[in-house]
Amino acid sequence: DAGVTQSPTHLIKTRGQQVTLRCSPKSGHDTVSWYQQALGQGPQFIFQYYEEEERQRGNFPDRFSGHQFPNYSSELNVNALLLGDSALYLCASSLGQLSNQPQHFGDGTRLSIL
Amino acid sequence: AQTVTQSQPEMSVQEAETVTLSCTYDTSESDYYLFWYKQPPSRQMILVIRQEAYKQQNATENRFSVNFQKAAKSFSLKISDSQLGDAAMYFCAYRSADFTASKLTFGTGTRLQVTL
Repeated sequence: DAGVTQSPTHLIKTRGQQVTLRCSPKSGHDTVSWYQQALGQGPQFIFQYYEEEERQRGNFPDRFSGHQFPNYSSELNVNALLLGDSALYLCASSLGQLSNQPQHFGDGTRLSIL
Repeated sequence: AQTVTQSQPEMSVQEAETVTLSCTYDTSESDYYLFWYKQPPSRQMILVIRQEAYKQQNATENRFSVNFQKAAKSFSLKISDSQLGDAAMYFCAYRSADFTASKLTFGTGTRLQVTL
């Protein structure tokens, strides 16, 4: 039973560039959420995708955008990268949007901005 | 907006001993869920235990148990018979029962060290 998989594991970019991170949800899950975890902090919610639509969004600028595909996998895109975007980006999947369904996390993508 | 506070940046416990990690939260909602997640150096967030706010009985999972005080908005995690593999960052998290707002709100974490 494959868990949540994220790619790449590590990524180095420079300011102003654009980046795409990928997530495949756990088998049987159809909802994907993205979180940003800065060093020494707890994860912060970016947005959630369900039925290929963004359903909820946290306090992140429009530079952060996403997509969900028919097979439930998801991408997180960040444009015009800033130094402050350096963080661990976590993807979590769940079955449906109901709050009683636990979210399962991937290992994350470490994004470093130079 | 809901907030989650973990006031202990670091805790240390000896192997086989018991440790309690603290968490308080603020919300105006009456129905919600609380979670403790463990994040080892491998980075993956692992669900340790969860509590439904409408249940008065404290949740337990093997060596892990919680003390849920709804009126005080407190949700502490007790780890019994601590093992070396328990060493990790522990995050307390809140989730509304409203499915349109089902994001997780995390605290800043507590780093747990387990010594021999």
